[in-house]
Amino acid sequence: AQSVTQLGSHVSVSEGALVLLRCNYSSSVPPYLFWYVQYPNQGLQLLLKYTSAATLVKGINGFEAEFKKSETSFHLTKPSAHMSDAAEYFCAVSETGGFKTIFGAGTRLFVKA
Amino acid sequence: SAVISQKPSRDICQRGTSLTIQCQVDSQVTMMFWYRQQPGQSLTLIATANQGSEATYESGFVIDKFPISRPNLTFSTLTVSNMSPEDSSIYLCSVGSGSSYNEQFFGPGTRLTVL
Repeated sequence: AQSVTQLGSHVSVSEGALVLLRCNYSSSVPPYLFWYVQYPNQGLQLLLKYTSAATLVKGINGFEAEFKKSETSFHLTKPSAHMSDAAEYFCAVSETGGFKTIFGAGTRLFVKA
Repeated sequence: SAVISQKPSRDICQRGTSLTIQCQVDSQVTMMFWYRQQPGQSLTLIATANQGSEATYESGFVIDKFPISRPNLTFSTLTVSNMSPEDSSIYLCSVGSGSSYNEQFFGPGTRLTVL
């Protein structure tokens, strides 16, 4: 069975600091991996996705994530945090060829001025 | 990408009543999904709705409680029946995209409070 674990329900960084949001997955087959962002009172928006092409995936708003099979990880990073990055971030996994997506518990990112 | 709207955006309802949530997409899509997001929680898939067929429900969700309609390729409804305070959640619809429909575009959600 597939699962996703996000380490840290809350992460706080200073504006301009590195953002690192951790995600580990469990899947018996090569997975598709996703990061979504949810701003207050809005639906989820796709940040980036991994579909076995390149291990380093670049997304919108300066975010990127690296797929590490040996560590079963797909951590999300951004070199320099901006106040507008404050939101809830969800890591998600689905099986290659499958449409059902499993979402992690989410990590709320706070950005301090 | 698809643009998705939901109605209502929020509602406060009395226990025992039912609420129907509408999801409208600006393009024709094959697969639509309904999720529940309980306060401070992640998303839980309620059901998958394909046009022209019965919705497929996930474990823990039943058609009598969450009937779904999918009359055409741009529209779906989810009804929350005989509501109780435990049904207070955000309900989100999404559409699948990509070769496996697992890249999803979400509506803004419907925030439901049951008193």
